[in-house]
Amino acid sequence: DSGVTQTPKHLITATGQRVTLRCSPRSGDLSVYWYQQSLDQGLQFLIQYYNGEERAKGNILERFSAQQFPDLHSELNLSSLELGDSALYFCASSDRGGALPTDTQYFGPGTRLTVL
Amino acid sequence: AQSVSQHNHHVILSEAASLELGCNYSYGGTVNLFWYVQYPGQHLQLLLKYFSGDPLVKGIKGFEAEFIKSKFSFNLRKPSVQWSDTAEYFCAVNAFGNEKLTFGTGTRLTIIP
Repeated sequence: DSGVTQTPKHLITATGQRVTLRCSPRSGDLSVYWYQQSLDQGLQFLIQYYNGEERAKGNILERFSAQQFPDLHSELNLSSLELGDSALYFCASSDRGGALPTDTQYFGPGTRLTVL
Repeated sequence: AQSVSQHNHHVILSEAASLELGCNYSYGGTVNLFWYVQYPGQHLQLLLKYFSGDPLVKGIKGFEAEFIKSKFSFNLRKPSVQWSDTAEYFCAVNAFGNEKLTFGTGTRLTIIP
């Protein structure tokens, strides 16, 4: 158990819908990262938040957005869902913000999203 | 931008065989290197990491990796694999000071009892 929690574990929805994935980082970690794992794209970095502020952006679609709340949990919002958005969405946390030698990212169990 | 190549897509070994999984990265600056493992149905777990110092890094479960800067490589090794090592293995890199991880496509390892 990495200490990172994600809910829900599974999500099944229809095209065009909107969903919210939730992540709670390890206690004390300030950074949250979101990754998408799909069969055709592999593991791809989406976005990073550090202490409530967006820190880095990767291959995140405009239909997707994220935020980190004062209690440091994060939500990833996916809207206008398409079949191709079906994937495993991982959240990771670390206690660093990128200013010094980096620390390790600890991954949560993931949310499996199926878009029908 | 950095990139990572894992040339072995699927490796099948018998128990007690030795393992070496290749990982090459592309980036001109200082990097941090990681190997993660994903057991069937589970999340990513860190096997080992390299930041600096001794290029031979030992991780959990008997795994080790060697950073060869001149070859831009960070190959994962284990002298004697077990059936429980069946999993997908991901090499990852981030640039020093940038925490975004870039992953390779993964290597699926199947151990035959």
